[in-house]
Amino acid sequence: AQSVTQLDSQVPVFEEAPVELRCNYSSSVSVYLFWYVQYPNQGLQLLLKYLSGSTLVKGINGFEAEFNKSQTSFHLRKPSVHISDTAEYFCAVSPPNNNNDMRFGAGTRLTVKP
Amino acid sequence: DTAVSQTPKYLVTQMGNDKSIKCEQNLGHDTMYWYKQDSKKFLKIMFSYNNKELIINETVPNRFSPKSPDKAHLNLHINSLELGDSAVYFCASSPSVTRWETQYFGPGTRLLVL
Repeated sequence: AQSVTQLDSQVPVFEEAPVELRCNYSSSVSVYLFWYVQYPNQGLQLLLKYLSGSTLVKGINGFEAEFNKSQTSFHLRKPSVHISDTAEYFCAVSPPNNNNDMRFGAGTRLTVKP
Repeated sequence: DTAVSQTPKYLVTQMGNDKSIKCEQNLGHDTMYWYKQDSKKFLKIMFSYNNKELIINETVPNRFSPKSPDKAHLNLHINSLELGDSAVYFCASSPSVTRWETQYFGPGTRLLVL
């Protein structure tokens, strides 16, 4: 079965600074990869997903992630963060043929300071 | 025009009680899900439901039972509530079981069992 590790539980950054949230996965088969964002007291919102094709995936709110098969990573990046990006970010992995086996990481709390 | 809605938003109850959480989606999606997010923010899928086919994850106790009166609704019934059931429960939907990779989440129901 696949699993996800988010290496940083908390990432504090200053406004307009770049940020990278790290995600590594393990799987013996090909996978789909996702990043979700959860704002306080809200549900999860899909930021971006990698299914196949180009390894650089662009998502909403200026985020992007790069799938690196050799390093089994799918790190999320944004060149300049805003206060409004403060939220919990979840990386998730799933086998392509099973919608009932999505595994989430423990989350990374991004705090953007003025 | 909320896409996925859940009621109630908060639920506080005593151990041993039976409770239900309702979920509705107005996206015309065929597939719906229930997730549990524990106190450490760890998110796990509990069920997926598509066209009357229910797939249950093995770790979910049989005290939990999803019920779908129609395609737009997937309610979660919990019998004999236990302290460990305290969590945030998220409903989600996706266009179909074959187009499941984009899931839309509800705002969550915060359940506290005393």
